[in-house]
Amino acid sequence: AQTVTQSQPEMSVQEAETVTLSCTYDTSENNYYLFWYKQPPSRQMILVIRQEAYKQQNATENRFSVNFQKAAKSFSLKISDSQLGDTAMYFCAFMKHAPGTYKYIFGTGTRLKVLA
Amino acid sequence: DTEVTQTPKHLVMGMTNKKSLKCEQHMGHRAMYWYKQKAKKPPELMFVYSYEKLSINESVPSRFSPECPNSSLLNLHLHALQPEDSALYLCASSQGGGLNYGYTFGSGTRLTVV
Repeated sequence: AQTVTQSQPEMSVQEAETVTLSCTYDTSENNYYLFWYKQPPSRQMILVIRQEAYKQQNATENRFSVNFQKAAKSFSLKISDSQLGDTAMYFCAFMKHAPGTYKYIFGTGTRLKVLA
Repeated sequence: DTEVTQTPKHLVMGMTNKKSLKCEQHMGHRAMYWYKQKAKKPPELMFVYSYEKLSINESVPSRFSPECPNSSLLNLHLHALQPEDSALYLCASSQGGGLNYGYTFGSGTRLTVV
C-alpha cells in the first residue's frame, strides 16, 4: 500500500529566507503523480505544485520548486523568498489512477510559520 | 470563474436530521470529489465522480449519500449521522474526467453532529 510521510510536523522560517519541506512516499508503482497543497488558516486548500513521476525535470511555480528524487522516493518542496502569506499547513500528496482504482493519499502535513 | 463554492459553510444537525451539503463549480471540470477532514489531520477521500458517474466509493457508510445532478453540481446527503461524523467536508474538482490533475478545493462545510 502507498504511504506518504512528512517527517516535520512544524517548521518556521524568517521572512525572505528559503525553507525546504520534506516528503517521502512508498510505492511499487512506476507512473504516478505527486502534489503539494497549501492550507492557510482560513482553511481553503490550494494546489501549489504538481509533478508527474515520468518527468525527470523538477516542477517549479514562481517561488515554489520541488526536488523530485524518484529512486529515493522523495519529493521535497522549496519555498524561496518566504512571505508572511506562506504561513499555512502544507500537505504532500500521492496520486495513482488506473481503471477501477484511484488512490489519492495525503501526508500528515507540515505546519509552516513565516516570521516577520 | 475559478472557484469551487460550498454551502452551507457551517452546519449543526441532530442525529435524526436529514441535511444536504452542496458543491458547485463552473470551470468545466468533469471530475468532482468529496473529502472528509478531521481537525489537524489530512483529508480523507470519500467519493469520486467522473463525468457525473460515481467511480469511486471509499467504503463510506450509507448514511452519506452522494449525488451528481449535472456536471457543475455535487451534493452530499446526510442522514442519521453520528457525533464522530463531525468534521470539515471538502469538495474538490479537477480538469477533464481523467482524475490525473491537481484539485481545486472549496472552502468546506464545517459539520457538527449533536
